[in-house]
Amino acid sequence: SQQGEEDPQALSIQEGENATMNCSYKTSINNLQWYRQNSGRGLVHLILIRSNEREKHSGRLRVTLDTSKKSSSLLITASRAADTASYFCATGYSGNTGKLIFGQGTTLQVKP
Amino acid sequence: SAVISQKPSRDICQRGTSLTIQCQVDSQVTMMFWYRQQPGQSLTLIATANQGSEATYESGFVIDKFPISRPNLTFSTLTVSNMSPEDSSIYLCSVGTAPNEKLFFGSGTQLSVL
Repeated sequence: SQQGEEDPQALSIQEGENATMNCSYKTSINNLQWYRQNSGRGLVHLILIRSNEREKHSGRLRVTLDTSKKSSSLLITASRAADTASYFCATGYSGNTGKLIFGQGTTLQVKP
Repeated sequence: SAVISQKPSRDICQRGTSLTIQCQVDSQVTMMFWYRQQPGQSLTLIATANQGSEATYESGFVIDKFPISRPNLTFSTLTVSNMSPEDSSIYLCSVGTAPNEKLFFGSGTQLSVL
């Protein structure tokens, strides 16, 4: 299966702390994306990092990509209760099909 | 960006019946996909909906069980046929406006099969 693995599966932290989630994948990619899902409904795109990039920032989010290790990490700094959600990495592959393969996800709980 | 309207948002169905889920986009999009998310699991791609031609199904999914239509660049339907309790999942429509760029998702259809 091309599906990536994420760890941890679940993470519980206090508000104000940082949260780090990791994603590993199996084959060469064009890009890696992170999505958030609240309450099991539609996903919201957070950030995209291309295969030739190593780090990217967006607000309180920091994403790194290590193509040699086929892994990525998402760091959420100064977490808030509203960050409580499931986070998924998704990988895009060559061929311009546009489809994404999603990882297993990390469930983040931020306690106020 | 793209705004997606997905209907119904939830349904409870009897075993052996079929349900058609609609996905309407507010602009023309090149790519449209249907995903399934089983309880507590990640998203699994069912198929790519192709405008004017048969959908492209992923391994493990077949047209007889999940027929898909895409008559134009803004609309698609997914039918879950001859349902069983194992089909209880969230079904998600997603669209892409350019290859290898971000996807936009509908709010999902929560399906429960009794």
